[in-house]
Amino acid sequence: QVQLVQSGAEVKKPGASVKVSCKASGYTFTSYGISWVRQAPGQGLEWMGWISAYNGNTNYAQKLQGRVTMTTDTSTSTAYMELRSLRSDDTAVYYCARDSRIPPHPYSNYGFDYWGQGTLVTVSS
Amino acid sequence: QSVLTQPPSASGTPGQRVTISCSGSSSNIGSNYVYWYQQLPGTAPKLLIYRNNQRPSGVPDRFSGSKSGTSASLAISGLRSEDEADYYCAAWDDSLSANWVFGGGTKLTVL
Repeated sequence: QVQLVQSGAEVKKPGASVKVSCKASGYTFTSYGISWVRQAPGQGLEWMGWISAYNGNTNYAQKLQGRVTMTTDTSTSTAYMELRSLRSDDTAVYYCARDSRIPPHPYSNYGFDYWGQGTLVTVSS
Repeated sequence: QSVLTQPPSASGTPGQRVTISCSGSSSNIGSNYVYWYQQLPGTAPKLLIYRNNQRPSGVPDRFSGSKSGTSASLAISGLRSEDEADYYCAAWDDSLSANWVFGGGTKLTVL
């Protein structure tokens, strides 16, 4: 069965960086991409960006350009999301989700069909 | 402020049919597919509807989606207590930002 297992909760100070991992199993990792979505406390969902596990191509949300980097390690079927220059409003639960987008189409016709359990990142001085 | 507009709350009694609306614009719902996600308390979102009205395997046919112009809706028939959750609509937005956009979520209460 498809599973995405994320790393544990993090507490960071403003200005620091955080790197969240997402280990995939139960499917061919390089046949799909991974999107990252975050949810601030009591708020809605916000898409952060996408990475192809096939070739590492990325597409980041404009709002986060310059602060976010998404990578994959195909040898371990793991995706990573690093967010730098953390601010208090980056406090959120961060989710990875399987994304079947096939470029050049800009998005997946099948949505985000499997999600990780979420990783709480708290930014506080 | 979310790009897609949903009512913050909805409610119904067991067995009832409820609908949740999602309003957007020509750059998102008007030109792309709509997706719906269900988020049970304390859990990750789950894909409920894709490509406007398609259900993934395992999603009961009590859940249905539709789209017309720049609006979409999710209907839940035969409401059950386990349907109490937050529901989010989503669509790709073709504007300059070229993002996935979500609604602010609708909290469904089963009375």
